[in-house]
Amino acid sequence: KAGVTQTPRYLIKTRGQQVTLSCSPISGHRSVSWYQQTPGQGLQFLFEYFSETQRNKGNFPGRFSGRQFSNSRSEMNVSTLELGDSALYLCASSPGLDLSYEQYFGPGTRLTVT
Amino acid sequence: AQSVAQPEDQVNVAEGNPLTVKCTYSVSGNPYLFWYVQYPNRGLQFLLKYITGDNLVKGSYGFEAEFNKSQTSFHLKKPSALVSDSALYFCAVRDFIGSSNTGKLIFGQGTTLQVKP
Repeated sequence: KAGVTQTPRYLIKTRGQQVTLSCSPISGHRSVSWYQQTPGQGLQFLFEYFSETQRNKGNFPGRFSGRQFSNSRSEMNVSTLELGDSALYLCASSPGLDLSYEQYFGPGTRLTVT
Repeated sequence: AQSVAQPEDQVNVAEGNPLTVKCTYSVSGNPYLFWYVQYPNRGLQFLLKYITGDNLVKGSYGFEAEFNKSQTSFHLKKPSALVSDSALYFCAVRDFIGSSNTGKLIFGQGTTLQVKP
């Protein structure tokens, strides 16, 4: 099976712009989660989607949003970019909602805000 | 609230020696624990997990982890380290409320493993 894919791999944006990141989960996986990774804050949970519904959201401002499509692909959007949004954004998928499922991560999108 | 701690920022070992990367956790209820590894400019790769059962869990690439409920620890181990094991290692715990999965993994701050030839 193909792994989790994320596009684009690298992005450079200017403050105030918006950006959309895309994630395709492993085939058959219905749960998609997003994480932000920075040197200072480590790995922080953004949100999780299952069957096109956002189930949980981390402690991020409303500028961060996402959605999931019927084929389980997911996008996240960040509006009005700030310098502090520079990070590696990781998408992870799992088959479903069972507590025992591990999450499989994509390679990430490296976002640089200048 | 669930949490994990990795007390060491970096662990240095010589190739061929055993390695241990430490992780302690705090959960209300039964813990669901995971180890991931991250190589430079890559995403996280799943190594192993503890859900229930045998306290010694075996995973990918020769890694294993020992679950210790009394010490609330889940240390990652490998009998003989390789230079190629050098990477960033994360311990994580599944977040849940009651018996409901919140969809969130809570990660430790990560431990850099350096294996020297």
